[in-house]
Amino acid sequence: KQEVTQIPAALSVPEGENLVLNCSFTDSAIYNLQWFRQDPGKGLTSLLLIQSSQREQTSGRLNASLDKSSGRSTLYIAASQPGDSATYLCAVTGGSYIPTFGRGTSLIVHP
Amino acid sequence: DTAVSQTPKYLVTQMGNDKSIKCEQNLGHDTMYWYKQDSKKFLKIMFSYNNKELIINETVPNRFSPKSPDKAHLNLHINSLELGDSAVYFCASSQALAGQETQYFGPGTRLLVL
Repeated sequence: KQEVTQIPAALSVPEGENLVLNCSFTDSAIYNLQWFRQDPGKGLTSLLLIQSSQREQTSGRLNASLDKSSGRSTLYIAASQPGDSATYLCAVTGGSYIPTFGRGTSLIVHP
Repeated sequence: DTAVSQTPKYLVTQMGNDKSIKCEQNLGHDTMYWYKQDSKKFLKIMFSYNNKELIINETVPNRFSPKSPDKAHLNLHINSLELGDSAVYFCASSQALAGQETQYFGPGTRLLVL
């Protein structure tokens, strides 16, 4: 059974810092890995999708990497802003197309 | 131009009642999902439909019955509601199966069972 762990559970940083969020998974037989953002009281917004054959994806200040063999992904956020404050969720989809989510990293970027 | 919409947004009801949550997507996607997010924010898939056919049913009590009248709609009916059903229920959709495509989520339905 796939298990997804996200570290740290919570993070508070000053504006402008570069930061790294970590996601690890136990079963490397995956189709893809997706990073989402969830704002309080809202639904999830997809940030980046990395297919199993890819190593990384970039969108603006966000860069996500995938190392299937070690069961790890990182989400790198450059020059963080208060608007980046949210919970970041990692989801891994493997056999039977069932997505498994981590419990998220709650990020606060203070001015 | 809401992509994935859910109704109602909030639902407060008594134990033992039957309730339904509706979901609609206007993205032309073939696959739709229901997720449950518990009080500790853990998100878990419940069901997935592809072209109106049930393809994922993740050990959910049979009090929960999804229905997909067409590709754009996936409703969730819950019988005999229990306290433990209190959670946020999210609908999502994707062009193809979750393993291949990005998922788009609705805003959630906050269910509180008293």
